[in-house]
Amino acid sequence: EPEVTQTPSHQVTQMGQEVILRCVPISNHLYFYWYRQILGQKVEFLVSFYNNEISEKSEIFDDQFSVERPDGSNFTLKIRSTKLEDSAMYFCASSEDRRPYNSPLHFGNGTRLTVT
Amino acid sequence: AQKVTQAQTEISVVEKEDVTLDCVYETRDTTYYLFWYKQPPSGELVFLIRRNSFDEQNEISGRYSWNFQKSTSSFNFTITASQVVDSAVYFCALRGGNRDDKIIFGKGTRLHILP
Repeated sequence: EPEVTQTPSHQVTQMGQEVILRCVPISNHLYFYWYRQILGQKVEFLVSFYNNEISEKSEIFDDQFSVERPDGSNFTLKIRSTKLEDSAMYFCASSEDRRPYNSPLHFGNGTRLTVT
Repeated sequence: AQKVTQAQTEISVVEKEDVTLDCVYETRDTTYYLFWYKQPPSGELVFLIRRNSFDEQNEISGRYSWNFQKSTSSFNFTITASQVVDSAVYFCALRGGNRDDKIIFGKGTRLHILP
């Protein structure tokens, strides 16, 4: 069964550094998402992406964050200047179509980001 | 505003017992979609089931069953004859029907199945 792939599985970075989290969504999917989960807490929506542009973003997704689909397969999340509170598990997800809006999101295994 | 409430933070049962995880949701949409995801100790999010608001038929899949009650805005999940491998955090989630493509999650219920 096709799956969403995220790399790296764990990234450690120093405060103020830029990080790029990478994802390869399922190949025929059209909608892409980033979520994050601070340790032991709920899974929070960051951003959704469709047709090469952001379709929705949350309050968490401020100017420090950006997303990109640089080629036909990768979907990246960049954090420009990391803060301690950015430490979390970051999940990439994709879905094949949002019509009739019940397509489930398929999640990758996550990248655990640790900011020191 | 949309909201998902999982009032049970943590549940422990002995293996082979049945257990029900509660989920209550709030939405103003007349069409919406509900999901359950499992997060085992390894950390990934595994899709279990989706349910459309216009389909109130309950579903059974092996030891798993789901009870959707629109009248009480609930979408509860029951595991029958629980096994240690069922130990995980379970998230209920909601997606609205008005071209709102994100899913919002409840806070999750951590389920411990004791041998």
